[in-house]
Amino acid sequence: DAGVIQSPRHEVTEMGQEVTLRCKPISGHDYLFWYRQTMMRGLELLIYFNNNVPIDDSGMPEDRFSAKMPNASFSTLKIQPSEPRDSAVYFCASTPLKEGGYTFGSGTRLTVV
Amino acid sequence: SQQGEEDPQALSIQEGENATMNCSYKTSINNLQWYRQNSGRGLVHLILIRSNEREKHSGRLRVTLDTSKKSSSLLITASRAADTASYFCATAAYSTPLVFGKGTRLSVIA
Repeated sequence: DAGVIQSPRHEVTEMGQEVTLRCKPISGHDYLFWYRQTMMRGLELLIYFNNNVPIDDSGMPEDRFSAKMPNASFSTLKIQPSEPRDSAVYFCASTPLKEGGYTFGSGTRLTVV
Repeated sequence: SQQGEEDPQALSIQEGENATMNCSYKTSINNLQWYRQNSGRGLVHLILIRSNEREKHSGRLRVTLDTSKKSSSLLITASRAADTASYFCATAAYSTPLVFGKGTRLSVIA
């Protein structure tokens, strides 16, 4: 298995632009999580899905953030419009068991200028 | 919050020495997990210890859990330069996703 695949690896965009981050979880993993990592706040859970259904999006910072999971093999995290404070590394992770270990992707480093 | 807090924030040791990192948390948990993150990479799951377990081993890793003190420790024996990374504890309460601490940065000097 290729693991959790995220794209792009790096994204530099101007303030106000729309940004879309993509994630392909491991096949058979029913849970998918989006985390954001910054030096100041560490790893924060943004949203998670179970069987493609969003379960808890209370970590999504603002309405500018949205996430979808149209099928079991694909999820997107969209920021519109982007702001400099959104600069961070965004990780996608998946697991077959909610209380088991997670497999993380390599992350997308987002820089908003 | 159940967020784990690692101690120390940074640790520098010589190759061959043992490295010990600690994690404290605040609420009841189902299990506690340790992850490693190399610079610029994603987190890698190392070991999971359940709330009814006290100690667990995996290769050069030894994890202990004391639920009465709400604390855990990760011991890496005979450290190598390749162990240089950040180490995170993560707590899983019942029916909630993992919550991560801010990590311990370990530097192993050859």
